[in-house]
Amino acid sequence: QVQLQESGPGLVKPSETLSLTCTVSGYSISSGYYWGWIRQPPGSGLEWIGIIYHTGNTHYNPSLKSRVTLSLDTSKNQFSLKLTSVSAADTAVYYCARLSSGWTTSPFDYWGQGTLVTVSS
Amino acid sequence: EIVLTQSPGTLSLSPGERATLSCRASQSVSNSYVAWYQQKSGQAPRLLVYGPSARATGIPNRFSGSGSGTDFTLTISRLEPEDSAVYYCQQYDTSATFGPGTKVEVK
Repeated sequence: QVQLQESGPGLVKPSETLSLTCTVSGYSISSGYYWGWIRQPPGSGLEWIGIIYHTGNTHYNPSLKSRVTLSLDTSKNQFSLKLTSVSAADTAVYYCARLSSGWTTSPFDYWGQGTLVTVSS
Repeated sequence: EIVLTQSPGTLSLSPGERATLSCRASQSVSNSYVAWYQQKSGQAPRLLVYGPSARATGIPNRFSGSGSGTDFTLTISRLEPEDSAVYYCQQYDTSATFGPGTKVEVK
């Protein structure tokens, strides 16, 4: 059974960089599939942030592309999100998830439980 | 960017009734690359149906998806109290975007 778990600081100061890690168990991320991040501001809907393939190929939400970097650490079976120059608008629950196939045209079939990140001084 | 609109915003129904949720795209979604997720309070979303009528693993056949082009529908037949949740549609054709959600109350 594939399981994902987000980790990282729950509080980030404005203008700083938000960094989160997703640890995957039950599947080796170097074997395939796309892995991604989605966020949800409190009381709001879902926003797709981006995805990364096991080869390192990435696709980002155009509205966040200038501030987002996704990366892999296959030795730890983890992938990570960095979001620079954060503001209060970046306060959200951040989810990591897996696409259901090795194609970008796939839905997310496995999700982490989510982690709340608050941007505040 | 493909913008998704969902209706109604809230649906209040009784157990055993049928729920029909709508998702409309601002432009045609190729190959019906649309998925539906269920999100209960405090939980991560769960994939229900995709593409647009294939059910995800373990999803009961009370949940069915349909549609093409710009109009897609999630139908929940024989509602159960546990179906109370927010339901989101997603297109994964051009990048990916989610709709604003439909809240379903079963009581």
